[in-house]
Amino acid sequence: EVQLMESGGGLVQPGRSLRLTCVASGFTFEDYGMHWVRQAPGKGLEWVSGFSWNSGVIGYADSVKGRFTISRDNAKNSLYLEMNSLRPDDTALYYCAKDMEWNDPGTYDYWGQGVLVTVSS
Amino acid sequence: SYVLTQPPSVSVAPGKTATITCVGDNIETYGVHWYQQKPGQAPVLVVYDDFDRHSGVPERFSGSNSGSTATLTISRVEAGDEADYYCQVWDNDSGVFGPGTRVTVL
Repeated sequence: EVQLMESGGGLVQPGRSLRLTCVASGFTFEDYGMHWVRQAPGKGLEWVSGFSWNSGVIGYADSVKGRFTISRDNAKNSLYLEMNSLRPDDTALYYCAKDMEWNDPGTYDYWGQGVLVTVSS
Repeated sequence: SYVLTQPPSVSVAPGKTATITCVGDNIETYGVHWYQQKPGQAPVLVVYDDFDRHSGVPERFSGSNSGSTATLTISRVEAGDEADYYCQVWDNDSGVFGPGTRVTVL
């Protein structure tokens, strides 16, 4: 059974940093691209960043470019999101999502339950 | 950046058909994916690559894509289908989601 478990969220002041972790199980982690998708309270889904299975970082949304860094550790079956210079509009539920096919990014067949990040003074 | 447009809401009586549209420039050249999100839950993949149903998804859910409009159709709607539905494509190395459509079962 595929499972994705996010952690690391919480309340943080504007301008500070936070690191999210997604631990995966139930599939061969190194064979699939992984992504972060967020959802502000009462709003829709927004793709944040993705990391391919073989060629590194895919990219970042314009809203987080230069502030967020995605990475992965295949030995630990883990995906990370380092978030710096946080702003109130970064407040959201952050989901980790798995690519459905190893060579075709952008179809998310499994999602974690999400971790809440609240940026407020 | 690529923009997808969805109606904010669709209301449908039980047993009837719900049609959710997703409009984008020349969207037929993209593979369109649809996600269902119920309150307090993570999104669930329903249809991918325009019309393929994800495992476990009832045949009542179907998708199509032509011209500038992709469509998710829910036949014989049930109370349990009440949710937000998002269309999504992969464009220029980034994920693009539509704003979502809330389906209300009357």
